[in-house]
Amino acid sequence: DTAVSQTPKYLVTQMGNDKSIKCEQNLGHDTMYWYKQDSKKFLKIMFSYNNKELIINETVPNRFSPKSPDKAHLNLHINSLELGDSAVYFCASSLTPGGAEETQYFGPGTRLLVL
Amino acid sequence: GQSLEQPSEVTAVEGAIVQINCTYQTSGFYGLSWYQQHDGGAPTFLSYNGLDGLEETGRFSSFLSRSDSYGYLLLQELQMKDSASYFCAVRRRSYKLIFGSGTRLLVRP
Repeated sequence: DTAVSQTPKYLVTQMGNDKSIKCEQNLGHDTMYWYKQDSKKFLKIMFSYNNKELIINETVPNRFSPKSPDKAHLNLHINSLELGDSAVYFCASSLTPGGAEETQYFGPGTRLLVL
Repeated sequence: GQSLEQPSEVTAVEGAIVQINCTYQTSGFYGLSWYQQHDGGAPTFLSYNGLDGLEETGRFSSFLSRSDSYGYLLLQELQMKDSASYFCAVRRRSYKLIFGSGTRLLVRP
């Protein structure tokens, strides 16, 4: 059983398109995250939801919009894709948002390439 | 502001011991985590230090000194499969996990 799953695994698209990435966790966790990892492997938090409520909203272009229909799902919609959006996007989850030693469990990543 | 510094690359021989250092500067520090990421894979949790001292998990140990804003990951009896990138990450009271830029470890036979 996959703990944190993402679809699609690969996404190749043209500049200006709109695309969505889906994430699901079956760990029963309350908190989910989106990270962006660039070509230099720098991993940066974008958003976090706790029990469907947004708790972290980093400085991200408003072309990126997360949506959490329930606490097991966190989707990321990206409008008007730009070349600089090319990266690997990781979804992650943790039991709670701020426990003393919260482990985050990462999904396999979605490799987005904007042409 | 906040910053984490770790070496970009470390090379070691199979069977050896390697230490990956991490220095940080941040407000609201809560603890230091370490994650491993193989090429093409997802980050996976290795260790967490909330208090000063050494935490040991099998071949891996992690150390934290809050007064020095410094920590390290120690890998013993290196194996080829340990070749990966290792990230230190600062846990802040604002719920955020801030990752360093990663250290690429290459284990040679």
